[in-house]
Amino acid sequence: AQSVTQPDIHITVSEGASLELRCNYSYGATPYLFWYVQSPGQGLQLLLKYFSGDTLVQGIKGFEAEFKRSQSSFNLRKPSVHWSDAAEYFCAVGGNAGGTSYGKLTFGQGTILTVHP
Amino acid sequence: EAGVAQSPRYKIIEKRQSVAFWCNPISGHATLYWYQQILGQGPKLLIQFQNNGVVDDSQLPKDRFSAERLKGVDSTLKIQPAKLEDSAVYLCASSRQGNEQFFGPGTRLTVL
Repeated sequence: AQSVTQPDIHITVSEGASLELRCNYSYGATPYLFWYVQSPGQGLQLLLKYFSGDTLVQGIKGFEAEFKRSQSSFNLRKPSVHWSDAAEYFCAVGGNAGGTSYGKLTFGQGTILTVHP
Repeated sequence: EAGVAQSPRYKIIEKRQSVAFWCNPISGHATLYWYQQILGQGPKLLIQFQNNGVVDDSQLPKDRFSAERLKGVDSTLKIQPAKLEDSAVYLCASSRQGNEQFFGPGTRLTVL
């Protein structure tokens, strides 16, 4: 069964500082990996995704993530955080094409990001 | 391209009452999902439709929850009767193919 762990429930950073949100997954083969962001009262917005190829993935709003198979990780990074980045971030794993869990996403419990001015 | 639409945005009911949520997916998206997001947790899949057929409803509490997508487009999720633990945000998502899902704004349900 696929699963996702986000070890940090809450992270606080200062505006302009760098950010790294951790994500570890469990999946039997090469997974599809996603990062979503959720602002209060809003649905989830896709930041970036990894299906295959280059393990460093660029997303929207200046975010990037790196897939490390050896560590079963897909950490999200941003070099300089803006106050508008304050939100909750979810990592998700999905089954790859041809697998029984294709199309099914399993989410981590989320990391709340607070940005101090 | 219009996004996933959901209504209502908020609903407050007493326990043992019934409630229904509506979702209209992005045009052309064959797959539709309903998720339950309890406060402090990530979304949990309740049911997945492919066109008007159910692909996965293994985590849907079928004694009280039901969902339909009769014409393969919009969908309704119903809870009857509601319990206190059903208080959550109910998210609808759709996808054209595979894993990339687009989410609606959600319906926040409070059961008193």
